[in-house]
Amino acid sequence: DQQVKQNSPSLSVQEGRISILNCDYTNSMFDYFLWYKKYPAEGPTFLISISSIKDKNEDGRFTVFLNKSAKHLSLHIVPSQPGDSAVYFCAASEDDYKLSFGAGTTVTVRA
Amino acid sequence: GAGVSQSPRYKVAKRGQDVALRCDPISGHVSLFWYQQALGQGPEFLTYFQNEAQLDKSGLPSDRFFAERPEGSVSTLKIQRTQQEDSAVYLCASSMSQVSYNEQFFGPGTRLTVL
Repeated sequence: DQQVKQNSPSLSVQEGRISILNCDYTNSMFDYFLWYKKYPAEGPTFLISISSIKDKNEDGRFTVFLNKSAKHLSLHIVPSQPGDSAVYFCAASEDDYKLSFGAGTTVTVRA
Repeated sequence: GAGVSQSPRYKVAKRGQDVALRCDPISGHVSLFWYQQALGQGPEFLTYFQNEAQLDKSGLPSDRFFAERPEGSVSTLKIQRTQQEDSAVYLCASSMSQVSYNEQFFGPGTRLTVL
């Protein structure tokens, strides 16, 4: 059963605008959440994370929001740039090492 | 190289054949992970090593799957009697420590196709 769900398989956004990626989870024991970015033929690379004791974490153009009551997190990218075109995976963990991933959202940034 | 490397990058096997996939983690990284990524899906956890000890193999789909890391560095994932449902990208990741999961560095993966 999928404990982490990314319901939007794709997202197209104009350069300079905001990209919002969503992720829902079902396991209330998850205490750490991460976003990974993946280019074709490469492995995922870590982007940003958030602990369950926080509701927001910001790193440059990337901000992750966590709503524990709704079991929902989102990634905001602003402004979006062409190099942001990639697959973004949401991941969660409850035991310090094992990551559960969503299916990914393909982001395309249009010039 | 500074990153995690995996070989081969692509493997085509006939159903029933045995395959071995290799992972070279970042030097000095204690933890090593294997994930399986089916087409259109996210990576799914297979197994976890801390040095040479396999601490969690709960994600291995069947007893046809076997992983080892005998000297605490290079790891091999072996699949016996491959089946078509084994077709996937197999990702290896390494981490300097156990606790900081945001430090998992992934290799490029091995794409296995079973005919």
